[in-house]
Amino acid sequence: GQNIDQPTEMTATEGAIVQINCTYQTSGFNGLFWYQQHAGEAPTFLSYNVLDGLEEKGRFSSFLSRSKGYSYLLLKELQMKDSASYLCAVREDSNYQLIWGAGTKLIIKP
Amino acid sequence: DAGVIQSPRHEVTEMGQEVTLRCKPISGHDYLFWYRQTMMRGLELLIYFNNNVPIDDSGMPEDRFSAKMPNASFSTLKIQPSEPRDSAVYFCASTLEVSGNYGYTFGSGTRLTVV
Repeated sequence: GQNIDQPTEMTATEGAIVQINCTYQTSGFNGLFWYQQHAGEAPTFLSYNVLDGLEEKGRFSSFLSRSKGYSYLLLKELQMKDSASYLCAVREDSNYQLIWGAGTKLIIKP
Repeated sequence: DAGVIQSPRHEVTEMGQEVTLRCKPISGHDYLFWYRQTMMRGLELLIYFNNNVPIDDSGMPEDRFSAKMPNASFSTLKIQPSEPRDSAVYFCASTLEVSGNYGYTFGSGTRLTVV
C-alpha cells in the first residue's frame, strides 16, 4: 500500500540545525517534494528530489535515498519564522498523483 | 503574477445550504487541483483537471460534491447540501506540468464551517 511517515512534531532552538525525516512506501516513485505550511496559510513549495543525493537551497537542504525509501529536510540557522508544518509528498509515477504525508509541526524556541 | 486566487477566504453556512468555492489558477497552468485539508485526514485530493477537463474525481467524497472548470481561468467546487463534516480548509492548486520539478502553487484556501 501507500504510506508516508513523518514525525508529528519537533522542537528546535533558534540558530540551531534540525533534520526532519520522511520515509515512504509507494507503488512507484517519480520524485519527492517538500512543502512548508505556516498555520492558517497555504503550503508553499520548498524542494524537489528525484535522484539520490543532496539538494541545497540556501538554509534548506533535502536529501533522498531511493533504495531506502527515505528523505530528510535539513534546516540550518533556524529562525523563528521557520516555525511551521513541513509536508513530504511523493509522486508515484509520471502522472499527477502526489501522496502526502501528514506533516511535521516544527516549533522553534528562542 | 497574482498567484492562485480563491474566494471566499472564509465561509460559514448552515447545514443543508449550498456552498460554492471559486478558484482562478495561474495563467498558463494546465493542471488544476482541488484539495481538502483537515487535522484528522491531512491533505486529500478531491479532483483534478487538465486543460479544463476533469481527469480524476475519485477523491470526491460523495455526490453532494461537484466541480467544474468552464474555462482555463476559472473553476468551482460546489457542495449541495452541505453537512457539518464538510467543515475543512479547501485549497485549489495549479501547476504547469505534472512531471519534472514543477511544484504545485496553492491558493490561500477557503475555510469552510458548516453549522
